Amino acid sequence: EVQLLESGGDLVQPGGSRRLSCVASGFTFTSYAMSWVRQAPGKGLEWVSLISSSGGDTNYADSVKGRFTISRDNSKNTLYLQMNSLRGEDTAVYYCVKGGHSGSLTHFDYWGQGTLVTVSS
Amino acid sequence: DIQMTQSPSSLSASVGDRVTITCQASQDINDFLSWFQQKPGKAPQLLIYEASNLETGVPSRFSGSGSGTHFTFTITNLQPEDIATYYCQQYDNLFTFGPGTRVDIK
Repeated sequence: EVQLLESGGDLVQPGGSRRLSCVASGFTFTSYAMSWVRQAPGKGLEWVSLISSSGGDTNYADSVKGRFTISRDNSKNTLYLQMNSLRGEDTAVYYCVKGGHSGSLTHFDYWGQGTLVTVSS
Repeated sequence: DIQMTQSPSSLSASVGDRVTITCQASQDINDFLSWFQQKPGKAPQLLIYEASNLETGVPSRFSGSGSGTHFTFTITNLQPEDIATYYCQQYDNLFTFGPGTRVDIK
């Protein structure tokens, strides 16, 4: 059974930093690209970042480019999102999402339960 | 960037009804389109990928069609447990979600 377990969400002050983690199990982590998707309270879904299966290629939404960094440790089956220079508009539930096929541009088939990041003073 | 629109933004239908949601892309995305269901407080769940492929375990009352820029999602025989918000998403050029369609029961 595929499981994605996010952690690291918390209340953070504007301008602060936070690192999210996502531990994956139930599939061969090294074979799949992974993404982070976020959802602000009461709003729709916004893709944040993508990392290839090897970790060698990354992509970011314009809204987070230069502030967020996605990474993965394939030896630990873990995905990360380092968030710096946080703003109020970054307040959201952050979901860890698995790619459905090998290759990076593929549909999303499994989602974690999400972790809430609140940016406020 | 590819923009996605959905209509309607919300709808109310009776149990047993047929419900249709449309999704339009700002440019050709071939058939690289998914549909997700999200219930309150829960993570989204994949229903349809590549425009018309039903994800394993998803009831057959859900279906999708279309290609290029215009796509349709249909629920036949609407059930009470189908109350949710439905999102389309393109993955032809990175990823973009539609704004969502809220489905309620009359």
